[in-house]
Amino acid sequence: DQQVKQNSPSLSVQEGRISILNCDYTNSMFDYFLWYKKYPAEGPTFLISISSIKDKNEDGRFTVFLNKSAKHLSLHIVPSQPGDSAVYFCAASGDSWGKLQFGAGTQVVVTP
Amino acid sequence: DADVTQTPRNRITKTGKRIMLECSQTKGHDRMYWYRQDPGLGLRLIYYSFDVKDINKGEISDGYSVSRQAQAKFSLSLESAIPNQTALYFCATSDFTRTSGGYNEQFFGPGTRLTVL
Repeated sequence: DQQVKQNSPSLSVQEGRISILNCDYTNSMFDYFLWYKKYPAEGPTFLISISSIKDKNEDGRFTVFLNKSAKHLSLHIVPSQPGDSAVYFCAASGDSWGKLQFGAGTQVVVTP
Repeated sequence: DADVTQTPRNRITKTGKRIMLECSQTKGHDRMYWYRQDPGLGLRLIYYSFDVKDINKGEISDGYSVSRQAQAKFSLSLESAIPNQTALYFCATSDFTRTSGGYNEQFFGPGTRLTVL
């Protein structure tokens, strides 16, 4: 039973526009959330994270929003660039042991 | 040079064979993890280790075993490979810092694509 869900397997967006990726979770014990980006033939790389004590975290073009009551988080990429074309994984942790639960991923394609 | 390396990068084997996937890291992290990625399922945790004397099962450990030979090395073995173990395997490391309460991002290797015929 997947505790972290990314219901959109793919997203296509024009260069310069906003990309919005969504993630839902079911385990109320999760209190730390991360987004990873993955290019083909490479391992996932960390993008941005948010603790449950916050509802927003921003790093350059990337912003993560957390809605604890809805058990929902989203990643906004503004503006989208061709190099952002990749698979994005949402992940969640509920303890300090560092174990992560991952979503299935969303393939983002940024078109010119 | 890559901080987390995995060997081999690709492997094709036959049902029933024993396979070992190796992971090395130069980040000096204590924590190491093995995941597998399957289409539509994301990454799932197989085993994790917090130091050389600590090994723990993840959510899908059946059919796998691990060895933590040193702080920098963590190997995953398939004792008798079967076709449904065909997947992309990732090793990851993380650090523990008290200021973050143990919450730190994981750093991943490039992956091993394993095919079991």
